[in-house]
Amino acid sequence: EVQLVESGGGLVKPGGSLRLSCAASGFTFSSYSMNWVRQAPGKGLEWVSSISSSSSYIYYADSVKGRFTISRDNAKNSLYLQMNSLRAEDTAVYYCARGYEGYCTNGVCPYYFDYWGQGTLVTVSS
Amino acid sequence: SYELTQPPSVSVSPGQTARITCSGDALPKQYAYWYQQKPGQAPVLVIYKDSERPSGIPERFSGSSSGTTVTLTISGVQAEDEADYYCQSADSSGTYKVFGGGTKLTVL
Repeated sequence: EVQLVESGGGLVKPGGSLRLSCAASGFTFSSYSMNWVRQAPGKGLEWVSSISSSSSYIYYADSVKGRFTISRDNAKNSLYLQMNSLRAEDTAVYYCARGYEGYCTNGVCPYYFDYWGQGTLVTVSS
Repeated sequence: SYELTQPPSVSVSPGQTARITCSGDALPKQYAYWYQQKPGQAPVLVIYKDSERPSGIPERFSGSSSGTTVTLTISGVQAEDEADYYCQSADSSGTYKVFGGGTKLTVL
């Protein structure tokens, strides 16, 4: 059974830092890309960052570029998100989500989030 | 930045058909996916590659695509289908993932 368990959330002051972790089990972690997706209280889903299976490709949403760093340790089956220079608008539940990459057809490559963790809450407030 | 547009809310009576749309300029070039999220829970994938249904998802959930709009259709809506629904796709390069703003489905 695929399991993704996030940890590391909490209350932090504006300008502070926090590191989120996601422990994966039930699948070959090193074969899948991984993602962080967040959801502000009462708001919709927002993709934050993706990392390929070997860490060769890393992408960020414009809203976090330069402040957040995604990384992974395939030996520990773990995904991380280092969050610096935190702002009030970063307050959200942060989900770890596995990325499913399908076969490309005519240059179109399927990519979706097939398993999600339960999320960890990050609150940025003074 | 690229955006996907969904109606904020849709209401239907039990047994009726609910249709939730999602519009975006890159949808003719990229697949769309749909997620269901109930209060306090993580999202669950209900449709992938525009119209495919994952195992375990009821047959009443279906998806379609036409030009710059994709549609999630729930036939014979049940009370348990009341939830927020999000479409997801990518920009034309496929690099940056994006979610629609979400649609709250209310079963009257």
